[in-house]
Amino acid sequence: GDSVTQMEGPVTLSEEAFLTINCTYTATGYPSLFWYVQYPGEGLQLLLKATKADDKGSNKGFEATYRKETTSFHLEKGSVQVSDSAVYFCALKTQGGSEKLVFGKGTKLTVNP
Amino acid sequence: DVKVTQSSRYLVKRTGEKVFLECVQDMDHENMFWYRQDPGLGLRLIYFSYDVKMKEKGDIPEGYSVSREKKERFSLILESASTNQTSMYLCASSYLGGGYNEQFFGPGTRLTVL
Repeated sequence: GDSVTQMEGPVTLSEEAFLTINCTYTATGYPSLFWYVQYPGEGLQLLLKATKADDKGSNKGFEATYRKETTSFHLEKGSVQVSDSAVYFCALKTQGGSEKLVFGKGTKLTVNP
Repeated sequence: DVKVTQSSRYLVKRTGEKVFLECVQDMDHENMFWYRQDPGLGLRLIYFSYDVKMKEKGDIPEGYSVSREKKERFSLILESASTNQTSMYLCASSYLGGGYNEQFFGPGTRLTVL
């Protein structure tokens, strides 16, 4: 079945450091790919998305590129801030199939000043 | 802005009690979802609904039921709460169809069963 694997955390960085959170997926066809973020005490909110191969999603300085050849959708940010401290979830939605999302287990990021 | 609201942020119940978690969305979304979130396990889908009175089991439906009598409201029911149902419960909604429709989440209900 479809699945998402993301790097285990927690990840701790200093402010202005470079961030990469790895995400790989297994799915048939061409799924849509998402990154969601959950700030402390809140629900999830969409951070960025990509719907086809080589698409780059971007938002709030974060980027991720849909790589079909490596089945990956790694999240990157060039310079993190304390306010980026949150849990990040990679997810996929199967093309033409169920309305369900398949989530990774989440990666907790802490950014220290 | 899409708004998904959940009836309680925190709830404490006793083993064996019947528990209702309510979720309301204001964007006329067809799909609604209930997840539970546990450390190290991520989000797991309990049930979802794509229309009024329609429901489908997710990955972990045991011990839960749902009700969708109106389009905007989706209820999760724990018929007889148990301590292993202590968790964070998240509701979400989305439009039907389209490969990239995002799900919009509520703030979550943290349920403790004693």
